[in-house]
Amino acid sequence: AQKITQTQPGMFVQEKEAVTLDCTYDTSDQSYGLFWYKQPSSGEMIFLIYQGSYDEQNATEGRYSLNFQKARKSANLVISASQLGDSAMYFCATTPYSSASKIIFGSGTRLSIRP
Amino acid sequence: NAGVMQNPRHLVRRRGQEARLRCSPMKGHSHVYWYRQLPEEGLKFMVYLQKENIIDESGMPKERFSAEFPKEGPSILRIQQVVRGDSAAYFCASSPRDGTNEKLFFGSGTQLSVL
Repeated sequence: AQKITQTQPGMFVQEKEAVTLDCTYDTSDQSYGLFWYKQPSSGEMIFLIYQGSYDEQNATEGRYSLNFQKARKSANLVISASQLGDSAMYFCATTPYSSASKIIFGSGTRLSIRP
Repeated sequence: NAGVMQNPRHLVRRRGQEARLRCSPMKGHSHVYWYRQLPEEGLKFMVYLQKENIIDESGMPKERFSAEFPKEGPSILRIQQVVRGDSAAYFCASSPRDGTNEKLFFGSGTQLSVL
């Protein structure tokens, strides 16, 4: 069975600093995808970044990058130059290769950016 | 190009009543997924549907819960005889295809409160 572990329930970071949100995963699948979603206080889920298990390079999307370490089964999200609008819950998730319906979410990290 | 539309945004029901949650996927998306989120937790998969077919309902309680995605109209998640434990945020997501690297587009969710 798949499992996502996010060990940081909450984090405080100074504006403009970089921040790393931790995520480790456990899966027996050979092929899988890793996702990060952002959930602001308004409640919607916003896709941030995707990494495939066979991708050799770390995914990047603007200020977001995914530090993928396959051997350690970690998929940390790095946000460079944090902004006040980055304050939100962040969820790491994984799917097996077969179907997005099997997506498993972690418990989330609440990130608060200080001005 | 409207995103995934969910309504109502907030729904209040008394114990024993029925709750009907609606989800219109993004234009061109034929795959719909429903998730439930309890406070301070990640999303939990409930059911995956394509037009007129339930593909995977392994995450949905066997009793009182049902889902449909008719040929015409939105997907409906129906909860009969609601109980307090059904209070949660219910999210719908859609994608044009199924597969591990398909990012899910989420709606803003329906917050169900059972009195």
